[in-house]
Amino acid sequence: QQQVKQSPQSLIVQKGGISIINCAYENTAFDYFPWYQQFPGKGPALLIAIRPDVSEKKEGRFTISFNKSAKQFSLHIMDSQPGDSATYFCAASGGSNYKLTFGKGTLLTVNP
Amino acid sequence: GAVVSQHPSWVICKSGTSVKIECRSLDFQATTMFWYRQFPKQSLMLMATSNEGSKATYEQGVEKDKFLINHASLTLSTLTVTSAHPEDSSFYICSAKENNEKLFFGSGTQLSVL
Repeated sequence: QQQVKQSPQSLIVQKGGISIINCAYENTAFDYFPWYQQFPGKGPALLIAIRPDVSEKKEGRFTISFNKSAKQFSLHIMDSQPGDSATYFCAASGGSNYKLTFGKGTLLTVNP
Repeated sequence: GAVVSQHPSWVICKSGTSVKIECRSLDFQATTMFWYRQFPKQSLMLMATSNEGSKATYEQGVEKDKFLINHASLTLSTLTVTSAHPEDSSFYICSAKENNEKLFFGSGTQLSVL
């Protein structure tokens, strides 16, 4: 049973456009939702994270929107740049163990 | 953000040998570290949770006698792949939990078993 569903699997965006990646979760015990960026051959890097007490969090060009009732959250990358081309993973965890459950990832390509 | 150092970044070994991968939290103490495995173009799969001073907790289906984890200090956890076989070839990544609950990842280790 996949607890965090991520879509789309791949995404192509023009430079300057908005990239949107969506995730849905099933476990209502999840209370921490981070997004990670991964370049080939590297470990994931934490981009931004949100908790259910807020509906939106913005850091620079990256924004998380969170809908608790729908159990969905999304990553928006504004003014997308070729350097943003990478694989993005959403994740979720709950309770005191901080074990992350990852989505399957989205390969983002930003064309010049 | 906090820095997690993982070494080596890549290793090639012969079938039947053992390989040790180190994960260090450089600027914070990590009572809990995690080890993941990632196949090409796939997501991260949690292998085990490493707790300082106690035995690791392994996920279902992960052989604890094959993947030995030692968390001897608050800044170091090691993963030893024992008697490695070609099917163990994969990208192994560690992460460490900072006090503010954020998880930071190492740069990963690409293991190739010949």
